[in-house]
Amino acid sequence: NAGVTQTPKFRILKIGQSMTLQCAQDMNHNYMYWYRQDPGMGLKLIYYSVGAGITDKGEVPNGYNVSRSTTEDFPLRLELAAPSQTSVYFCASSYSSGPANYGYTFGSGTRLTVV
Amino acid sequence: AQTVTQSQPEMSVQEAETVTLSCTYDTSESDYYLFWYKQPPSRQMILVIRQEAYKQQNATENRFSVNFQKAAKSFSLKISDSQLGDAAMYFCAYRIAIYSGNTPLVFGKGTRLSVIA
Repeated sequence: NAGVTQTPKFRILKIGQSMTLQCAQDMNHNYMYWYRQDPGMGLKLIYYSVGAGITDKGEVPNGYNVSRSTTEDFPLRLELAAPSQTSVYFCASSYSSGPANYGYTFGSGTRLTVV
Repeated sequence: AQTVTQSQPEMSVQEAETVTLSCTYDTSESDYYLFWYKQPPSRQMILVIRQEAYKQQNATENRFSVNFQKAAKSFSLKISDSQLGDAAMYFCAYRIAIYSGNTPLVFGKGTRLSVIA
């Protein structure tokens, strides 16, 4: 049982390049989330999804896009990378029902540097 | 909008001693959940403890316990018998409780805990 798998773990991008951060979970969780973590700023929600085909913006969606074609996968797309997108990105998933006080299952993060 | 505030950017504790990390939150909701997450240098986010707002009893998980003061909107984490492995960034988080489904977590900025041998 792998949980939440994020790839790649590290990446350096040049300004203006694009890339996709991959996230997959094998727990049959309906809910999936993307956060970014900047030093001293905690985690901020970029996008989330409540199920296949349904996505919604979080607090800091600008410069990002997501899609959710399957329950398992929730990729995050960066178009025209900017230095302000240098951050650590976390994907997470959770149940949509049952013990609603459960927390999330997090991936191990992707450290992205834009130069 | 809900906000979570951790007023201590850094804390330190001697090994085997007790330390308390502070967290306050702002919400107009009456039903919600509160969490403490630990992030060691490995970057992995680890759930430490959780509390349902409708429960008056404070949650406890081994050496970790919380002091939940709903009226004051305060949710502090107490770590007893601190160990070197407790050194990490600790995040307080909040989530609205809804009848069905889930809501995104809102995080504080974190408190970096150092444990001194």
